[in-house]
Amino acid sequence: EDKVVQSPLSLVVHEGDTVTLNCSYEVTNFRSLLWYKQEKKAPTFLFMLTSSGIEKKSGRLSSILDKKELFSILNITATQTGDSAIYLCAARGNDYKLSFGAGTTVTVRA
Amino acid sequence: GAGVSQSPSNKVTEKGKDVELRCDPISGHTALYWYRQSLGQGLEFLIYFQGNSAPDKSGLPSDRFSAERTGGSVSTLTIQRTQQEDSAVYLCASRLSGVTYEQYFGPGTRLTVT
Repeated sequence: EDKVVQSPLSLVVHEGDTVTLNCSYEVTNFRSLLWYKQEKKAPTFLFMLTSSGIEKKSGRLSSILDKKELFSILNITATQTGDSAIYLCAARGNDYKLSFGAGTTVTVRA
Repeated sequence: GAGVSQSPSNKVTEKGKDVELRCDPISGHTALYWYRQSLGQGLEFLIYFQGNSAPDKSGLPSDRFSAERTGGSVSTLTIQRTQQEDSAVYLCASRLSGVTYEQYFGPGTRLTVT
């Protein structure tokens, strides 16, 4: 059975700090790994990673995938209170379904 | 609007009653997914529709759960004889097949079974 594990489950930081979120996966015939941000209800797409070692970057957020060690990290630099959310990691095998981790709850204090 | 919409946004029901949750996907998206998110948990896959193909129902937790997608657009998730453990946020997502794997999520329906 496909499995995605995220760590830590939650963390609290202060504005300006850098956070690193971890996602490990065990997925049959792995195709891609996706990161989502969930603030209220609807998760919003952040990144999709398919190749090892290639960093994807969007503003203060960046992510990288290691297909040998089967993990991905999501970095947020110079955190702001608006970064407070649940960050979800999902992995896709060779079908159309995503397996989601339980998420990391990030709280950024002013 | 241009996004995925779901209704109702909140639903409180008594144990044993049936409920129907609705999802309107983004126009033109042929793939539609239902997920369930319990408190502190990740998203649990329930069912997947793709065009006119038979849906993948492998994630439905029991035969009390069913879903339909009419005309390749709107989908309804039905839960019969609701139980307290059915309380969760039910999320719908749609995807434009063949272009990108990104799923676009609706705001969800928070179901509370009392």
